[in-house]
Amino acid sequence: DQQVKQNSPSLSVQEGRISILNCDYTNSMFDYFLWYKKYPAEGPTFLISISSIKDKNEDGRFTVFLNKSAKHLSLHIVPSQPGDSAVYFCAAGGGADGLTFGKGTHLIIQP
Amino acid sequence: DAGVIQSPRHEVTEMGQEVTLRCKPISGHNSLFWYRQTMMRGLELLIYFNNNVPIDDSGMPEDRFSAKMPNASFSTLKIQPSEPRDSAVYFCATQGEANEKLFFGSGTQLSVL
Repeated sequence: DQQVKQNSPSLSVQEGRISILNCDYTNSMFDYFLWYKKYPAEGPTFLISISSIKDKNEDGRFTVFLNKSAKHLSLHIVPSQPGDSAVYFCAAGGGADGLTFGKGTHLIIQP
Repeated sequence: DAGVIQSPRHEVTEMGQEVTLRCKPISGHNSLFWYRQTMMRGLELLIYFNNNVPIDDSGMPEDRFSAKMPNASFSTLKIQPSEPRDSAVYFCATQGEANEKLFFGSGTQLSVL
């Protein structure tokens, strides 16, 4: 049973527009959430995180929104740039048990 | 710090052979995780260690898989005997404190023919 779900395997967005990546989770014990970005032949790298006590966290072009009642989080990238093309993983954690990852969404930024 | 270092970057082997993947964590990080990435299942947690002690190995798929962390600066993931369905990218990641982000290595691309 997948505890973290990314239902869109891929997403195509025009350069300069907003990219919105979505993630749903089922485990109420998760208390912090992260987004990782992965380029081919590289390991995932941390992008942005949010604690369960917040509903929004912003870092430059990247904003993560958390809706605890809906068990849903999203990553907004605006404006989207060609270098943002990558696979984005949503992850959730609670305590010292590491992170549970979604299957990833392949974001393609078109010129 | 050079980050999490994994070796080899690529491994091609024949079915039935033993495979050993290696990981050097970031100095001072107390927790180490082994993940496997496949198209079908995404990033799966196989096992994790805290202060060199295995805490949860429920993600290890079969007895053919084993992992060790003999000291704070080295961990191995071994598959014996390997099978074609083990083909995947295996990542090692480390964490300094609980509830902090994980730092990933570059991964080992394993192909079992």
